[in-house]
Amino acid sequence: GAGVSQSPRYKVAKRGQDVALRCDPISGHVSLFWYQQALGQGPEFLTYFQNEAQLDKSGLPSDRFFAERPEGSVSTLKIQRTQQEDSAVYLCASSLVLGGGPQHFGDGTRLSIL
Amino acid sequence: DQQVKQNSPSLSVQEGRISILNCDYTNSMFDYFLWYKKYPAEGPTFLISISSIKDKNEDGRFTVFLNKSAKHLSLHIVPSQPGDSAVYFCAADSQGGSEKLVFGKGMKLTVNP
Repeated sequence: GAGVSQSPRYKVAKRGQDVALRCDPISGHVSLFWYQQALGQGPEFLTYFQNEAQLDKSGLPSDRFFAERPEGSVSTLKIQRTQQEDSAVYLCASSLVLGGGPQHFGDGTRLSIL
Repeated sequence: DQQVKQNSPSLSVQEGRISILNCDYTNSMFDYFLWYKKYPAEGPTFLISISSIKDKNEDGRFTVFLNKSAKHLSLHIVPSQPGDSAVYFCAADSQGGSEKLVFGKGMKLTVNP
C-alpha cells in the first residue's frame, strides 16, 4: 500500500482481556518498528524487526507484551491481561532498510483499557 | 532521564513570519536527527533530517540546523503558513540512520492567519 496501515484505529477492552494490534508496513520495507505514545508525550520505542527477525525488544514494558512478524511483512503486537496503564496510542513505523532513511508512521491504534 | 528535550511546549507565530523550534539532546552518541510533524488523530509525518556530519540541511521552507558542541538543533520554517499548525517532534538516533528513535515530548505550533 501507499502508507503504513494500522488496525483497528480504536480499541476498547476491559482490564484483563488480551488484545492484538495489526500493522501493514509500506510494501518492500525491510524494517518495522513499534512505539507507544502516552498522552502529552513523544512516542517511546517498544521493539523492531528486520524482515522476520526481532532485533531489539528492549522497550517492551513487560512480558505481557509480545510482537511478531512471521513472514517479514505484516506484524502483530499482542498485549495479554491488559491493565489500565496500557492505555495509549500504539504506533507502527517502517523503513526501507535498517539505517537507511527515516521511519514512516501509520496513524496508530488508540487503546483504551476500562 | 530525558535524552531529547523540547523545552517549549508551544509557539504561536503570525502567517508569513519565521517559526523557530528548538531541541536539545544529552546523548553524545546520537548522530542522526529528525523532525516529524503530527496532526491530531494522525501518525507523525517525516519532515526533514540531518546527519551529524552536517550542520545544516534545507528542504523548501524547512531548514534544520545542528550545533554538535552545544548538543542543540533547531527547525526553521520560513515563511510560516496556517497549515503548518501542528505538533512537532524532534527525534534522534545513534546508528547513523533509522533504528531506535528517541523522541522529545513535542511542541505545538500555531500559525495565525
